[in-house]
Amino acid sequence: GDSVTQMEGPVTLSEEAFLTINCTYTATGYPSLFWYVQYPGEGLQLLLKATKADDKGSNKGFEATYRKETTSFHLEKGSVQVSDSAVYFCALDDRGSTLGRLYFGRGTQLTVWP
Amino acid sequence: NAGVTQTPKFRVLKTGQSMTLLCAQDMNHEYMYWYRQDPGMGLRLIHYSVGEGTTAKGEVPDGYNVSRLKKQNFLLGLESAAPSQTSVYFCASRAAGAGNEQFFGPGTRLTVL
Repeated sequence: GDSVTQMEGPVTLSEEAFLTINCTYTATGYPSLFWYVQYPGEGLQLLLKATKADDKGSNKGFEATYRKETTSFHLEKGSVQVSDSAVYFCALDDRGSTLGRLYFGRGTQLTVWP
Repeated sequence: NAGVTQTPKFRVLKTGQSMTLLCAQDMNHEYMYWYRQDPGMGLRLIHYSVGEGTTAKGEVPDGYNVSRLKKQNFLLGLESAAPSQTSVYFCASRAAGAGNEQFFGPGTRLTVL
């Protein structure tokens, strides 16, 4: 079945460091891929998405490229800020089904120190 | 446009008590979902609905029931609460179609003593 695997956390970085959070997926069809972010005490919100192979999603300095050959959608940011501290979730869209499910990874906690 | 709202924000129950969590969305979305979030477990899908009057089981449905009598509302019920149901509950909604964003509510923090 469809699934998402993302790197275990927590990840701790200094401000202005480079960030990578790995995400790989298993899917029977051609899913859309998402990164969601959850700030402390809040619900999840969409950070970026890509709907087909080789698409790059980007937002707030974060980027991720849909790599079909490696079934990956790694999240990157060149220079993190303290305000980026949050939990990040990779997810895929069960596009081949009418059930409309999203499959989420377990989340990666990011803490950025000044 | 309030998006997805959840009622209540916090609740403490005793074992065996019942309660209903209400989710409302004003975006005319077809799909609605209930998740629970526990430390180290990520998000787990409890039940979901692909339209008014329809519901389906997710990964962890035991001990919960749901109803979607109106398109904009999705209710999650606990008939006899257990300490294992202590969690943060999130509701979400989404428009039908591939690649559409799922919008989340702010969550309900439930403690069962």
